[in-house]
Amino acid sequence: KNEVEQSPQNLTAQEGEFITINCSYSVGISALHWLQQHPGGGIVSLFMLSSGKKKHGRLIATINIQEKHSSLHITASHPRDSAVYICAVGKAGGGADGLTFGKGTHLIIQP
Amino acid sequence: DAGITQSPRHKVTETGTPVTLRCHQTENHRYMYWYRQDPGHGLRLIHYSYGVKDTDKGEVSDGYSVSRSKTEDFLLTLESATSSQTSVYFCAISDRTGITGELFFGEGSRLTVL
Repeated sequence: KNEVEQSPQNLTAQEGEFITINCSYSVGISALHWLQQHPGGGIVSLFMLSSGKKKHGRLIATINIQEKHSSLHITASHPRDSAVYICAVGKAGGGADGLTFGKGTHLIIQP
Repeated sequence: DAGITQSPRHKVTETGTPVTLRCHQTENHRYMYWYRQDPGHGLRLIHYSYGVKDTDKGEVSDGYSVSRSKTEDFLLTLESATSSQTSVYFCAISDRTGITGELFFGEGSRLTVL
C-alpha cells in the first residue's frame, strides 16, 4: 500500500464547478505539500501545510492531522486550472531525504 | 521564480552510454534532490544532497551516481544508460530538511535511452 494515496485519479469538470481533490497518508508527517504540474511543464509548489487551512486566490488547502487527510479545493474552476495536482508528505522525524509523493490527480476543466 | 535550471532539457542516447544531467541553483539552498517521474508512479527520489560533498541514496538509486562539489551544482550521472532509465528527471531544492520549507523544482529533463 502506498504511503500517500490521492483520489480521484482523474477528474473532468465544467468551468465554474467547485473541485475537491483528496489526499490520505499513512505515516506521521512534518508537513504536507500540494504541487501543480501543467502538461509538459514543470512542477510548482502551491501550498505547504502542517495544520489547519491555507488559502491562495481560488485555491484552498486543508489538513486534518488526526485523520491523516488533506484536501485541495478549487473554487470557480477555470480551464487554466487543468493540470496534475500532486500531494506529497515530509515524514516526521525524517532526515534530509525529502518528500513521499502521491501519484497525482489529473484534472481537466472543460469550458 | 526560484533560480533553478536543469540541463539538458531533452536528450536521446543509446544504451550503454554515460549521461550526466546538471542542476544549477542560484538560491544558495542547502538541500538538493534528483527525482524521476514515470507514468503510474509518483515522483521517486534517486539521490539527494544535504551539503557540499554530502550526498545519500534515495528510493531508486541503482544505476545512478551524483556529485556536489559546489553549493550551486548537483550532477546526476548514469554511468551506463539503460532503457529502464528513460524518464523525466526533476531536480528540486529546499532550504530546510524534512521539507518543511518551500520546495522549488526545475523544469525537468526528458531522457530517452534507445
